[in-house]
Amino acid sequence: DGGITQSPKYLFRKEGQNVTLSCEQNLNHDAMYWYRQDPGQGLRLIYYSQIVNDFQKGDIAEGYSVSREKKESFPLTVTSAQKNPTAFYLCASSIRQGVDMNTEAFFGQGTRLTVV
Amino acid sequence: KQEVTQIPAALSVPEGENLVLNCSFTDSAIYNLQWFRQDPGKGLTSLLLIQSSQREQTSGRLNASLDKSSGRSTLYIAASQPGDSATYLCAVRGGSGNTGKLIFGQGTTLQVKP
Repeated sequence: DGGITQSPKYLFRKEGQNVTLSCEQNLNHDAMYWYRQDPGQGLRLIYYSQIVNDFQKGDIAEGYSVSREKKESFPLTVTSAQKNPTAFYLCASSIRQGVDMNTEAFFGQGTRLTVV
Repeated sequence: KQEVTQIPAALSVPEGENLVLNCSFTDSAIYNLQWFRQDPGKGLTSLLLIQSSQREQTSGRLNASLDKSSGRSTLYIAASQPGDSATYLCAVRGGSGNTGKLIFGQGTTLQVKP
């Protein structure tokens, strides 16, 4: 059963704490993405990776970090430097652009992060 | 910089009505455009993908069109049902200096009343 799995579904963070959101895919996709969604706003790109061991900053990368050590996994760490981390976080994957123009993106079910 | 706009932000229609959602983008040099559906508190479900060389795609009661030169796409929903109530998002891939990124509009929240 192919797809993208995000965990946990809900996450609570204390002030000054780093937390890591998991994203795993078994679609054999090269490209993976992290988006943030706030109420009443569209999705904003945090980081994306087109291939293993390579990633680029998106529009709102400050206070976040990622790694891409395996093709299947693209974890996102929300650091204490992110002053307003409460949001809905979505992970996506697709075939790497340039390999195939039919780069349909697929999304996980999201992680809701709340600062307590 | 590629920007994507969706109009209207919200729409309420009676069941059975045909409706059109609009999406516009500023840079026509896109690779493809994708329409998604999002239910409250959930992830995004892909509805239709239109490649830059295509003019439209159909899936069941959904039809999406693309006019790249004018920077516009529409999502047509025929015979709407209460189960169609959700937020619909369009996203484009490509545009000058934008290879690899998927840029989203703000979405249109649809309510279909029984």
